[in-house]
Amino acid sequence: QVQLVESGGGVVQPGRSLRLSCAASGFAFSTYGMHWVRQAPGKGLEWVALIWYDGSNKFYADSVKGRFTISRDNSKHTLYLQMNSLRAEDTALYYCARDLYDHWSGYYTAPLSDWGQGTLVTVSS
Amino acid sequence: EIVLTQSPATLSLSPGERATLSCGASQSVYTNYLAWYQQKPGLAPRLLIYDASSRATGIPDRFSGSGSGTDFTLTISRLEPEDFAVYYCQQYDSSFTFGGGTKVEIK
Repeated sequence: QVQLVESGGGVVQPGRSLRLSCAASGFAFSTYGMHWVRQAPGKGLEWVALIWYDGSNKFYADSVKGRFTISRDNSKHTLYLQMNSLRAEDTALYYCARDLYDHWSGYYTAPLSDWGQGTLVTVSS
Repeated sequence: EIVLTQSPATLSLSPGERATLSCGASQSVYTNYLAWYQQKPGLAPRLLIYDASSRATGIPDRFSGSGSGTDFTLTISRLEPEDFAVYYCQQYDSSFTFGGGTKVEIK
C-alpha cells in the first residue's frame, strides 16, 4: 500500500533554514507528481508546491516562492522541501501528498490521493 | 488565483440527517477539476470526491459531489457517526487552492 513518511521538522529561528524529507513506498514513485501542503495550527489547508514526476517542472504558492525549493530523488524514492528565510507564518504541519494519476494517464493535473501524516515546523525565536 | 469559499463554516446535524456543503469559486472552474477532502482531528486529509462528482476508491456511496462552473456541493445522504469531521474543497484547474473548510459537528 502507498506509504508517505515525512521527517525533518522541528523548531527553528526566524530567518534560518530547514529541509523536510518525505520517504515514499508502495508505488512507482518516479511516475507520480508530488506535492507539499501545509496546515497552520488550528487552520485550514494551504497548498505549497508541486514537482512533476521527473523533476522537470516545479510550481509554488506565492507565499513561499523564492524561499522554498521542492526537489526529488527518484533513485531514493524521496521528496524534499528546502525552506529558507523562514518566517513565523511558516509555522505549520507539513504534509507530502501524491497525485491521483501517474504521468502516463495523460492528465496535466490531479487531486491529491495519498497523504503522509505530516511533520511539524515551528518558527520561533 | 481562484479563491474558494465554503459555507457554512459549521454545520450542526444529528446522525442519520442529510448534510449539504457548498463551495463557491471566485471564477469558473471550467474543467470541473474540483475535489473534496475529509479531515478528522489528528489525521491527514482523505480524498473523497474528485472531478466534482467522482468518488475516490473506497468511499461510501452516501458521499456525492455535484456542481459545475463556480458552484459545487458535497452531499452526505445520511450522516454516520464517523462522518463528523472537517471537509475541504480544492480546485486543481488553475494551480491549486483549498477552501477554508466546513466543520460538520454533532448536534
